[in-house]
Amino acid sequence: DQQVKQNSPSLSVQEGRISILNCDYTNSMFDYFLWYKKYPAEGPTFLISISSIKDKNEDGRFTVFLNKSAKHLSLHIVPSQPGDSAVYFCAASGNAGGTSYGKLTFGQGTILTVHP
Amino acid sequence: DAEITQSPRHKITETGRQVTLACHQTWNHNNMFWYRQDLGHGLRLIHYSYGVQDTNKGEVSDGYSVSRSNTEDLPLTLESAASSQTSVYFCASSPGPGNTIYFGEGSWLTVV
Repeated sequence: DQQVKQNSPSLSVQEGRISILNCDYTNSMFDYFLWYKKYPAEGPTFLISISSIKDKNEDGRFTVFLNKSAKHLSLHIVPSQPGDSAVYFCAASGNAGGTSYGKLTFGQGTILTVHP
Repeated sequence: DAEITQSPRHKITETGRQVTLACHQTWNHNNMFWYRQDLGHGLRLIHYSYGVQDTNKGEVSDGYSVSRSNTEDLPLTLESAASSQTSVYFCASSPGPGNTIYFGEGSWLTVV
């Protein structure tokens, strides 16, 4: 049973436009959400996170939105750049400050391609 | 620079053999994790450790074991390798809650 789902296997956008990557979750115990970016033959690198007490977190070109009632989060990249082309993973954990720390449940990933 | 390193980066082994994947971090992080990545599943947690002598099972721990004898290392052992364990393995570490989890570059394991 996939508790974190990224239903779009791939996304293609033009340079300078907005990229929106979506993620849905089913476990209401999740209270901390993260986005990781992964290039081929490299490990995932942390992008941005959000706690369930917030509905938005922004870091430069990256913004994550959380809709708890819909159990949905999204990552917005504005403006998109060719260097953003990578696989993006959504991840979630419960009780982030306690016993579930680091026990991440990942989505399947979305391949983002940004065309020049 | 402090870092997290995995070895070997690539390995081919035969069914039934014991295999150990090494993970070494120089950040002095208490928390270390092993994940595997497979198509259609994202990354799944195998084992994790919150400190020396502490080890815990994750979501897909069957057929794997870990030991934590010091802060820097968390080796992952496949007791008797199976073809279903062909995967990419990622080690990760973190100083603790509220902090970023850092991943190694991955170990590609093929069991034939």
